Parts: sequence; C-alpha cells; structure tokens
Amino acid sequence: EIVLTQSPGTLSLSPGERATLSCRASQSVSSSYLAWYQQKPGQAPRLLIYGASSRATGIPDRFSGSGSGTDFTLTISRLEPEDFAVYYCQQYGSSTWTFGQGTKLEIK
Amino acid sequence: QVQLVESGGGLVKPGGSLRLSCAASGFTFSDYYMSWIRQAPGKGLEWVSYISSSSSYTNYADSVKGRFTISRDNAKNSLYLQMNSLRAEDTAVYYCAACGEGCGWGQGTLVTVSS
Repeated sequence: EIVLTQSPGTLSLSPGERATLSCRASQSVSSSYLAWYQQKPGQAPRLLIYGASSRATGIPDRFSGSGSGTDFTLTISRLEPEDFAVYYCQQYGSSTWTFGQGTKLEIK
Repeated sequence: QVQLVESGGGLVKPGGSLRLSCAASGFTFSDYYMSWIRQAPGKGLEWVSYISSSSSYTNYADSVKGRFTISRDNAKNSLYLQMNSLRAEDTAVYYCAACGEGCGWGQGTLVTVSS
C-alpha cells in the first residue's frame, strides 16, 4: 500500500499570503493519478487538482499543483477567506487507493 | 455535471448489515470507475472500495475485505455497497465517488454502528 504523508498538519496563514502544502508518497506515484481535494466543515470534499497539476473545472487559477514521483505540492498563490479548509491528497494509480491524513489551513 | 446521491445509511447494531445505494446522473455512468470512501467523525478520508466501469475489477481496503461487497448496475446508473458484520469502527459518513480525472463526490450518508 502506498502511504501518503501530508505536511504540515496545520498551516496558519493570513489572507493574501501564499500557502504551500506537501504530499509525500512512500513509493513512486504515477502523476496521472495524484489528486488534491478541499473539504470544508459539513461538506463533501471537492476536487481541486487531478493528474498532479491539472485544475478541475471551475477551480480558480490561484490553485496550482506540481510534483512527480514521490513529492507533490499544492500551492495557493494568494489566500482568500474561503480557502481556509482541510486539504487532502489522494493517489489512485495503484491497486489500492490511499489518501493523505490532511492539512488543515487555518486563519492566523 | 456529476450528481451523486447516496442513500441507505442509518443506525445498525454491531454484527448487523446495511446496503448503501448511490444514484448517479449528469454524466455517462458506465464510463467511470466508481468508489466508496468513508470518513469517521472528526477523522480523515479512508478509501473503502472501487469497481471498474464494467464491473470486471473490484478491490477493497483491508479493513472491510470479506465483509463489504461493491456492485453496480449500469442500466440503472446506480452503485451499491453491501455491508455485513458491521463493527463500531465502521461508523462514518460514506461517500460515493465517480473517478476518472480525479473523483467527483456525493454528499454522503451517515452509518452509525452502535448497540
């Protein structure tokens, strides 16, 4: 099973700042099958990024994804108030799919 | 626009059974892998199972293998999860997801396993 480790666990930033979230895999992940999701309290997760770097439909361009192999990054260039939430990475290229444990992005 | 509506959740005693359903619309259901993903109260996301577009392939998390069965009916645009021998640790919101380029999610249905 591929283990995804997200860091940091909690990130405290202010609106307008840049956020950098990390997702590290225990073994190589096909970039085609690495996704990022945003989840707000009481809501289902929402797809942000698929294929490591492609934005899903309707996702603002302040969200970007990068990386390959075992290291992937989600960057939010300028935080808006609505961006404070929990973010998960997911790999779905191996026979068993896995999620990272999540990064909570909170207002400083 | 992917629309997924889960149903069938509720309160069940340990050792009991429950069948979840997911009604899909707004996309070509038969083209997509489908998955169940769960989230225990206050916890992160846990992948449970997936099924290929033609039902040829299925797989399960170790935590549910042998107890849960995923199935689909492409003619009815529906996904199912039969859950047997339920345990307290299966208590969670269960999400149905359509997975192609990333996964689109339903709103979830709550399953509570308690005596």
